[in-house]
Amino acid sequence: SQTIHQWPATLVQPVGSPLSLECTVEGTSNPNLYWYRQAAGRGLQLLFYSVGIGQISSEVPQNLSASRPQDRQFILSSKKLLLSDSGFYLCAWSGQLNQPQHFGDGTRLSIL
Amino acid sequence: KNEVEQSPQNLTAQEGEFITINCSYSVGISALHWLQQHPGGGIVSLFMLSSGKKKHGRLIATINIQEKHSSLHITASHPRDSAVYICAVSLNTDKLIFGTGTRLQVFP
Repeated sequence: SQTIHQWPATLVQPVGSPLSLECTVEGTSNPNLYWYRQAAGRGLQLLFYSVGIGQISSEVPQNLSASRPQDRQFILSSKKLLLSDSGFYLCAWSGQLNQPQHFGDGTRLSIL
Repeated sequence: KNEVEQSPQNLTAQEGEFITINCSYSVGISALHWLQQHPGGGIVSLFMLSSGKKKHGRLIATINIQEKHSSLHITASHPRDSAVYICAVSLNTDKLIFGTGTRLQVFP
């Protein structure tokens, strides 16, 4: 069966520090991968999605970047975190177009 | 105006009550999703539908494509149903547009 792993679960970082959140999927190949952010009191917003290795589409301009170095690995990064980067970050995968998306457990990021 | 609107924003119920959460959207869609987010933040996909009605246990989801409206029903609600229920739509891609969610609390 397919599983998705996302870590860490919580993270507290100072302003200006770098960020790396990792997401891996097991039990499937060539998944579509997604990074979402949920700011406090707001709905989910798609940040990045990827349909294959090295293929990244950015949905909103921001201080973050994403990479897909391997088929089932999706990384969310920042060189210098801002206070506004605080939020709950979720990774998700789907198999084919118009199939349900499966979410990781999320990372709660607090910037001090 | 958001492309996906949910109502109500907050909902409280007594155990055993029948619950309805509504979702309206303003764009042409290929599918509509209902998701459940528990207090810890994890999200589970409940339904994906593009027409008609789907049922899973005590949960029922319906969609009316002409009216651009969907409902999620919970029969015989239970405190463990307490969560945020999120409606999302997909266009002709895998990208989802989310509603802001309905926070449900079911009291014993």
